Parts: sequence; C-alpha cells; structure tokens
Amino acid sequence: KNQVEQSPQSLIILEGKNCTLQCNYTVSPFSNLRWYKQDTGRGPVSLTIMTFSENTKSNGRYTATLDADTKQSSLHITASQLSDSASYICVVSAKAAGNKLTFGGGTRVLVKP
Amino acid sequence: SQTIHQWPATLVQPVGSPLSLECTVEGTSNPNLYWYRQAAGRGLQLLFYSVGIGQISSEVPQNLSASRPQDRQFILSSKKLLLSDSGFYLCAWIPGGAETQYFGPGTRLLVL
Repeated sequence: KNQVEQSPQSLIILEGKNCTLQCNYTVSPFSNLRWYKQDTGRGPVSLTIMTFSENTKSNGRYTATLDADTKQSSLHITASQLSDSASYICVVSAKAAGNKLTFGGGTRVLVKP
Repeated sequence: SQTIHQWPATLVQPVGSPLSLECTVEGTSNPNLYWYRQAAGRGLQLLFYSVGIGQISSEVPQNLSASRPQDRQFILSSKKLLLSDSGFYLCAWIPGGAETQYFGPGTRLLVL
C-alpha cells in the first residue's frame, strides 16, 4: 500500500530561525515528489517538485532534498518569516494512469515573533 | 493563462439535500482533473480523478459522485448529503504533459 508519512505533525518556531520537515514514503513505482504549502482555508500551492534523479531543489528560502534510495525527503525553511505559518504537505506520485498522488498528513508550522 | 475556478466558495446545506460543486479550468486542453476532500485539521483525501471526458475513477466508496461533461469541467455531486460530508473540497488539475498539480481555491461545505 502506498503511504506517505510526515513528521513532526506540528512545529512552533521563532521568527528568523530555521526548521526541517521530514517525509518518508513507500510509493512505488516512484515518479516524483512534491512539497506544497497550504495556508488555512486555501488550496495548496506547489513549492518544489523532484524526480528520481534530483537530490535537492530550492525555491527561495525553501530547500527540498530527496534520497530515493531510503525513500526520504526533507523540506528546510531558512530564516523563517511569519508568513511561513502554514501546513506543508508532502505528495508522492506513482507512475500510473491518471498521475495518482499519495498525500502525507502534513506538518503544521507556526512561526512566532 | 491557465487558471482553475471553483464555486461556490462556501456552502451550508441541510442533511439529506443534494449537492453540486463545479470546477472549471481555462487555458489548457485534456487535463487530468481531481476532486479532494480535506476534513478539518486533516490531510487531503482523493475522491475522484478523471483523465478525459466521461472517464471517472473513484478512490473511496461514498455517497458522492463525479462527472466530467466537458473537457475542462468537473462536477462533484451528491443526491443526499450526510453530516460527514462536511469539509473543504478541492479541485485540482495537471495540464497535459506537465508534472505539477495545481489546486483551485476550494469550496468549504458545512452540512447541518
């Protein structure tokens, strides 16, 4: 069964600090892994997408890593800002008809001043 | 430009009433379309996906149904809503040949 597990479930950090979110998956056959940011009451917005051959990808202060051997990914937020408060969702795509995605439960990040 | 629309934005319906949520995309052709539900504080649950007109795949058994009458239109329906149908419904799409999935603004449904 395809699964995506994220940790921690929630995280509180002070403004300006860094943090790292984790994602472990068992999706097969692997196609790509995405990180989304979802503000409360809004639809998710894509941050990064990585294929099997990519180890790291950055989008501003967000840096995602992928280890396809251990089936782990991380999302690192540098110099956090209050606007980074959101849920961060790890999504893994399997090579199948319809690009079916498996979603992690998300990590809720709260940045405090 | 490519955009996705959902309506209504919010909806309050009594138990047992019908439901129709609409999703349309612009600026593309033959996209893959998806309906998700997100319960409060929970992750996204895939309900239906469609790879073409009239082609609907259901991921979970429930009292909801989906239809794709046109290439860029995806409709989520129910004949009789349950309390457990309350949630945040998101439509998403993947443009033909692309990798990234884009989400609509969502519809917040409250069944009373």
